[in-house]
This record gives sequence, C-alpha cells and structure tokens, in this order.
Amino acid sequence: SQQGEEDPQALSIQEGENATMNCSYKTSINNLQWYRQNSGRGLVHLILIRSNEREKHSGRLRVTLDTSKKSSSLLITASRAADTASYFCATGIIQGAQKLVFGQGTRLTINP
Amino acid sequence: DSGVTQTPKHLITATGQRVTLRCSPRSGDLSVYWYQQSLDQGLQFLIQYYNGEERAKGNILERFSAQQFPDLHSELNLSSLELGDSALYFCASSTSLNTEAFFGQGTRLTVV
Repeated sequence: SQQGEEDPQALSIQEGENATMNCSYKTSINNLQWYRQNSGRGLVHLILIRSNEREKHSGRLRVTLDTSKKSSSLLITASRAADTASYFCATGIIQGAQKLVFGQGTRLTINP
Repeated sequence: DSGVTQTPKHLITATGQRVTLRCSPRSGDLSVYWYQQSLDQGLQFLIQYYNGEERAKGNILERFSAQQFPDLHSELNLSSLELGDSALYFCASSTSLNTEAFFGQGTRLTVV
C-alpha cells in the first residue's frame, strides 16, 4: 500500500498561475521529498524537508510540512510550460534504513 | 544527468524467461534503491541496499532478487517472468540513509 497520497490527481492551469499540490501520509517520517517526472523518464529530486522543518524554499518552489496533520504541500509559483510533469511526494521512513515510499503523483499540465 | 546509470534502457523478453537489470550508482553513493513503476500500481519500492547489505525490503516478489556488489553497482534479477511484470524499473542512489535519492533513466521491460 502507498504511504503518501497526492491531491489532486491531476491539475491543469494557465501559464503564469501558481500550482499547489498536496500530500498526505500515514506513519511517522524522518523526511519528506518531492520529485518531478517527465513522461516515461527518471524522477528528478526537487526538495527535501526534514520532520523538524516547517517550510522550505528553492527557487519558484515552496514546500510546507505539517507533521501534526501528516501533510505537505508543494507550491510552484509563476508556472511555465516546462513545469508540465508528474509530481510525487516521497516519505523517508527510517527502519534501520531509509525506506523511501512514493505516492501516486499529481499530473500537472501548464497551458500556454 | 543524475549520474546513475541503468542498463539496458529497453528489454523485450518472453514469459518464463529471466533477465538481469544493472545499476551503477553515483560516484560515492553507498545506498541503492530499486523501484517498479507500472501504470496501475504507481511507483512501488522493491528493495534497498546500503554498502553491500540489504537494508529494507518492500513489495518485492519471490521471483525477484537483487544484490549490491563490492564496487557498489547493483543488479536486479527477475525470473519466471509474467506479462504483469512489464513495467519501468528504476534504480536510485543516495549518499546515506537520510538524504535525497537520484534516479536513473530506468529500464523499460516488456514481457510478451
């Protein structure tokens, strides 16, 4: 079973708008990571936020983490056509080793 | 380029056969993960190795096995292949147990 669940499953917005994706998870985590995947290609790491952090920024990306609600959000500001991809959250669970468990992903489409 | 190399990129084989997928991690990375991605199952964690030792196991079938060699490259062996094993198989590596993972471009396996 999947640990993380992204919401929405699909999102379509106009270029220049902001895109927000959410991730909920079930068990305690050590960190939460966001990845991007262009169709049929490898995943690209975007950002890692540790369980003791609440917010993190990287360029146009902003990630928040609320461990009390077991949820995270990824905000992409000023979206571009090149941001079209699937976005996955992955929870890092330490059980002697890091088990990185992915959600089903959000398919983001940026319309020009 | 993530620095993680997977071979082959594509593989077509018949049911009942056995194949070996190979992964070379980024230079210096001790941890290797294997994932299976199919359309209906999302990204499934299979197994993780750290410095040659198996450290975490996910939804890996008994027909599948893996190992990490002293030079840190890893191989995933899939045997008695079934049609349902057709998927993208990704390898990822990380420096340690609590850091971001870097993904290879995947091996697309088609079982006919």
